Amino acid sequence: RKEVEQDPGPFNVPEGATVAFNCTYSNSASQSFFWYRQDCRKEPKLLMSVYSSGNEDGRFTAQLNRASQYISLLIRDSKLSDSATYLCAAAYSGNTPLVFGKGTRLSVIA
Amino acid sequence: EAGVTQFPSHSVIEKGQTVTLRCDPISGHDNLYWYRRVMGKEIKFLLHFVKESKQDESGMPNNRFLAERTGGTYSTLKVQPAELEDSGVYFCASSHLARGNEQYFGPGTRLTVT
Repeated sequence: RKEVEQDPGPFNVPEGATVAFNCTYSNSASQSFFWYRQDCRKEPKLLMSVYSSGNEDGRFTAQLNRASQYISLLIRDSKLSDSATYLCAAAYSGNTPLVFGKGTRLSVIA
Repeated sequence: EAGVTQFPSHSVIEKGQTVTLRCDPISGHDNLYWYRRVMGKEIKFLLHFVKESKQDESGMPNNRFLAERTGGTYSTLKVQPAELEDSGVYFCASSHLARGNEQYFGPGTRLTVT
């Protein structure tokens, strides 16, 4: 079983739609969680850290469910520019390597 | 603030040759990580420096890979001799010690071994 798993998609949604991705992790010792956005042939860019209390940044909301060992990303009012691959990552503690999922591909269609 | 930079952006070499990749982290970031993405797979960790010291090299595939970070600034990753399965995109990431897991990635080096 992969340590971090994501639905690869693609998720094809119309502009303005709300879309949610889940990511599960198998190592209960994981402490820190992140969502990265990766455009085609580009580097991953940090989108959000995910905290136990959940956090929101504009149209993006991230949640952590430790009991069920998953994190989620909700994107409201999708824009064409949101089209990308969204990577979920987990780490055991501070200053340790990230473990990535394979990513979920999102296409927002006009 | 300048981001993480990597050089070269692309490299095409023949099996058996040597290639050296370079990463310049964000200024002031003591943590430096190397990752690799092989086609169709997830990004995987290779090794981690804290300043000039190797903190964790558990992800290095074999002894054909050698990483250095002399002086705790830029880092190099040498592959010698290169094999076909070494093809992929090599990413470098850096982070501040105080916010260690918020890692910022460079644009990557796309390595093709033929």
